[in-house]
Amino acid sequence: DSGVTQTPKHLITATGQRVTLRCSPRSGDLSVYWYQQSLDQGLQFLIQYYNGEERAKGNILERFSAQQFPDLHSELNLSSLELGDSALYFCASSVADQETQYFGPGTRLLVL
Amino acid sequence: AQSVTQLDSQVPVFEEAPVELRCNYSSSVSVYLFWYVQYPNQGLQLLLKYLSGSTLVKGINGFEAEFNKSQTSFHLRKPSVHISDTAEYFCAVGGTGFQKLVFGTGTRLLVSP
Repeated sequence: DSGVTQTPKHLITATGQRVTLRCSPRSGDLSVYWYQQSLDQGLQFLIQYYNGEERAKGNILERFSAQQFPDLHSELNLSSLELGDSALYFCASSVADQETQYFGPGTRLLVL
Repeated sequence: AQSVTQLDSQVPVFEEAPVELRCNYSSSVSVYLFWYVQYPNQGLQLLLKYLSGSTLVKGINGFEAEFNKSQTSFHLRKPSVHISDTAEYFCAVGGTGFQKLVFGTGTRLLVSP
């Protein structure tokens, strides 16, 4: 158990819908990262927040957005969902700007 | 830009045999290197990491890796594998200061009796 929690574990929805994925970092970690794992793209970095501020953006679609709240939990919002958005979404956290990221168990999203 | 190449998509091995999973990286700056393991239907677990210092790094579950700067490699080894080591193994490269991790495509280790 890494100490990073993600909810829900599984999510099934339809095309065109919007979902919110939630992540709680390890106690004391200020930085949160979101990754997408799919069969065709592998593990891809989406976005990173540090203490409430966006720090880096990766291959994140405009239909996706994220935020980090004052209590440091983070949410990833996915809208206008397409079949290709079906994937495993991971959250990771790290202490400030240190290098080691600890991953949560992931949220498996299935878009039908 | 950083990149990671895992040369083998799948490595079959018999129980108690040694194994090496290969990883090569490319980076224009100093790097940190990681191996993560993903068991079926689970998240990513940190196996080991190289940040600085000794180039031979020991991790959990009897795994070790050696950082070779001249060959830009960070191969993962285990002298004797168990059935329970069957999983997907990911090599990743990161950097200083809020750097994202760049992952390889993964190597599926299949351990059979």
